[in-house]
Amino acid sequence: DAGVTQSPTHLIKTRGQQVTLRCSPKSGHDTVSWYQQALGQGPQFIFQYYEEEERQRGNFPDRFSGHQFPNYSSELNVNALLLGDSALYLCASSPALIEEAFFGQGTRLTVV
Amino acid sequence: AQTVTQSQPEMSVQEAETVTLSCTYDTSESNYYLFWYKQPPSRQMILVIRQEAYKQQNATENRFSVNFQKAAKSFSLKISDSQLGDTAMYFCAFQGYAGGTSYGKLTFGQGTILTVHP
Repeated sequence: DAGVTQSPTHLIKTRGQQVTLRCSPKSGHDTVSWYQQALGQGPQFIFQYYEEEERQRGNFPDRFSGHQFPNYSSELNVNALLLGDSALYLCASSPALIEEAFFGQGTRLTVV
Repeated sequence: AQTVTQSQPEMSVQEAETVTLSCTYDTSESNYYLFWYKQPPSRQMILVIRQEAYKQQNATENRFSVNFQKAAKSFSLKISDSQLGDTAMYFCAFQGYAGGTSYGKLTFGQGTILTVHP
């Protein structure tokens, strides 16, 4: 079992650009959540997908959007990147909305 | 809204000793889980221990145990016989269920950096 996999591992983008991060959930998991973790801080909830729909959303602007595919994999898109979007982006999957979440190793996004 | 507070930015302990990490939380919900996660330098968040709020008995996982005080909204983690591999950032987290506003999402504290010295 490969666990939760995220790609890419690292990414450098220029302010104003757009970025897409990808997540493949652990086998048997149908719920995917995304978190943003600034350096030295705890993760902040961005949104959660279940049955290809956004079920919950944290306090993030509309520049942050996502998608879940029929195979349960997910994408996080961020438009009009700001320097403050530089962070570690974590994906977590679970077999249901409130079951134990398993995390990927994250994508380190640097905006310059 | 839920809040989780970890008041110890950094802790250190000698190998084989015991250390306790503190966490307090605030919520109006009555049905929830509490977690401790470990994040080593490899960045992967690993679940250490989980406590259901309706259970009075404190959760235990090998060398890890919690002291859950529901009325005080306190949830501390005790690590016994500390090992070098325990060195990591530790996060306390809250998750509501039963349809509350925090249903399905994790709310994390700011984290405590634990260093285990040989």
